Amino acid sequence: DTAVSQTPKYLVTQMGNDKSIKCEQNLGHDTMYWYKQDSKKFLKIMFSYNNKELIINETVPNRFSPKSPDKAHLNLHINSLELGDSAVYFCASSRQGPYEQYFGPGTRLTVT
Amino acid sequence: AQTVTQSQPEMSVQEAETVTLSCTYDTSESDYYLFWYKQPPSRQMILVIRQEAYKQQNATENRFSVNFQKAAKSFSLKISDSQLGDAAMYFCAYKPNYGGATNKLIFGTGTLLAVQP
Repeated sequence: DTAVSQTPKYLVTQMGNDKSIKCEQNLGHDTMYWYKQDSKKFLKIMFSYNNKELIINETVPNRFSPKSPDKAHLNLHINSLELGDSAVYFCASSRQGPYEQYFGPGTRLTVT
Repeated sequence: AQTVTQSQPEMSVQEAETVTLSCTYDTSESDYYLFWYKQPPSRQMILVIRQEAYKQQNATENRFSVNFQKAAKSFSLKISDSQLGDAAMYFCAYKPNYGGATNKLIFGTGTLLAVQP
């Protein structure tokens, strides 16, 4: 059983397009996250949801919009894609609190 | 601001030898957790080990152990009997315990570990 899954794993698209990445976790966790890993492998949090409520919203362009339909799902929609959005996007989940996070396999987004 | 520093961008170790990866962090909090994650070429982020700041005993997971020095804000990872499968990028991460949901992982810049046969 996959604990945290993401689709798609690879996404190649052109500038200006709109795309979505889906994430699901079956661990029963309350909190889910989106992280961005840039070309230098640096990982930075973008958003966090707890019980479907947006908790953390780092300095991210408003072209990025997360949505959590329920506790087990957290999707990321990106409008008007730019070259600089090319990165690996990771979904993660954890119990509420300082506990370890479990990561999905990542989505490599390439904007051409 | 809370920061995590990994001063070794790359390390190399011979198979079966021991290697230590360094990590320091800066925080004014007293209650937090520290983690080491491994990212092999498959890019999957894998939890290696975790340490609660309130515990004095260093965490151990099989061949992986940490040296946690709270006063020095240091959290190094020791890998014993290195194996080829240990080759990966290793990230040190910090997570404060605010008692709520506003607990994000703050990552270091990573150390790329090569294992030589």
